[in-house]
Amino acid sequence: DVKVTQSSRYLVKRTGEKVFLECVQDMDHENMFWYRQDPGLGLRLIYFSYDVKMKEKGDIPEGYSVSREKKERFSLILESASTNQTSMYLCASMVRDRAGNTIYFGEGSWLTVV
Amino acid sequence: GQNIDQPTEMTATEGAIVQINCTYQTSGFNGLFWYQQHAGEAPTFLSYNVLDGLEEKGRFSSFLSRSKGYSYLLLKELQMKDSASYLCAVRKGGGNKLTFGTGTQLKVEL
Repeated sequence: DVKVTQSSRYLVKRTGEKVFLECVQDMDHENMFWYRQDPGLGLRLIYFSYDVKMKEKGDIPEGYSVSREKKERFSLILESASTNQTSMYLCASMVRDRAGNTIYFGEGSWLTVV
Repeated sequence: GQNIDQPTEMTATEGAIVQINCTYQTSGFNGLFWYQQHAGEAPTFLSYNVLDGLEEKGRFSSFLSRSKGYSYLLLKELQMKDSASYLCAVRKGGGNKLTFGTGTQLKVEL
């Protein structure tokens, strides 16, 4: 089974802090994604990566950056956390298979910025 | 951009059949996905349609009409554990990213 692991399940950070959300996948997938999920807004794509050191902006990249130094690891960085970044963050990994492009999600990281 | 619309909430009875609709507007359509998400958990893959027609997988089926920009997820013999949010997602062009709808919260009652 594909495993996508997010290092922190629940975090509470202060406004202005730098926050790292780590994600690791164990299936050698090239494509990895960071989404945030908010009530009434659904899943929104922040950044994605096609390969090591490659990154592309998603629909809501403002206030975020990412790092992909190794194929299995994709990190989301909040340089200076703000209260409007309180959300549930989902990392995902993708394989091209018979289903087209199946995305596998991590368990999610609940971030509260106070 | 892409507009994806789903009903916000639905309620159905255990043992019954429910149909969750999804409409979308996008250029370069290249596939539609359905995901299930239980409260506090990650979404899990249910189905994928890229050609018109019905895809059946056990109690779940998904239908696509590309000309109408329309899909539905059909759940048969509903069980209490089917209470969850159902997310419709569209892939555009040859790219790898999916755009998700806001999800339909399904409640299954006795």
